[in-house]
Amino acid sequence: DAGVIQSPRHEVTEMGQEVTLRCKLISGHNSLFWYRQTMMRGLELLIYFNNNVPIDDSGMPEDRFSAKMPNASFSTLKIQPSEPRDSAVYFCASSLTTSGGKYEQYFGPGTRLTVT
Amino acid sequence: QQQVKQSPQSLIVQKGGISIINCAYENTAFDYFPWYQQFPGKGPALLIAIRPDVSEKKEGRFTISFNKSAKQFSLHIMDSQPGDSATYFCAASSGLTGANNLFFGTGTRLTVIP
Repeated sequence: DAGVIQSPRHEVTEMGQEVTLRCKLISGHNSLFWYRQTMMRGLELLIYFNNNVPIDDSGMPEDRFSAKMPNASFSTLKIQPSEPRDSAVYFCASSLTTSGGKYEQYFGPGTRLTVT
Repeated sequence: QQQVKQSPQSLIVQKGGISIINCAYENTAFDYFPWYQQFPGKGPALLIAIRPDVSEKKEGRFTISFNKSAKQFSLHIMDSQPGDSATYFCAASSGLTGANNLFFGTGTRLTVIP
């Protein structure tokens, strides 16, 4: 089975440009999590969805960040406009949430974003 | 506010030694405590997990010890190997609200010296 798929793996862009990160969930999973990882702040949860519905977006840094799930298996994280401080590795994770679920999250390989 | 506190930040162990990483939490609603392992350039991967109805869980060389009254849990890596060198994250979650999000510790960078 394919794991979580993220694209691109690396992105280098200039300040002010729009950046779109993509994630494909594991087949059959219904929860999607976006994380950001930096040396200074560690692993931060940005937003998560359950059955395509955003449940908690309190971790989204500011209005420049937006996330969508246009269908049950795919999500995008958009940064517009991007800033150098957005440079980080962005992970998405996939999970199957059921009542009394196991909460196991499976992480993708990440997108390393560099904003110059 | 950090929901899960992890220590130490970094750890150096000789090959064959025991690596111990500790975590503490405050939220008594947490009922699932996983540990994730992350190698450079990779995403975190689930290593082992425990629920509070048991005090210990062992899988191969990896053991979680759980102390519900102290609200602490730890990862023990027996016979540590250079291939275990990675960053380890503890985490916690609660199913009471129906949410599925994990609260992660800040990570421990483990280096096992040959």
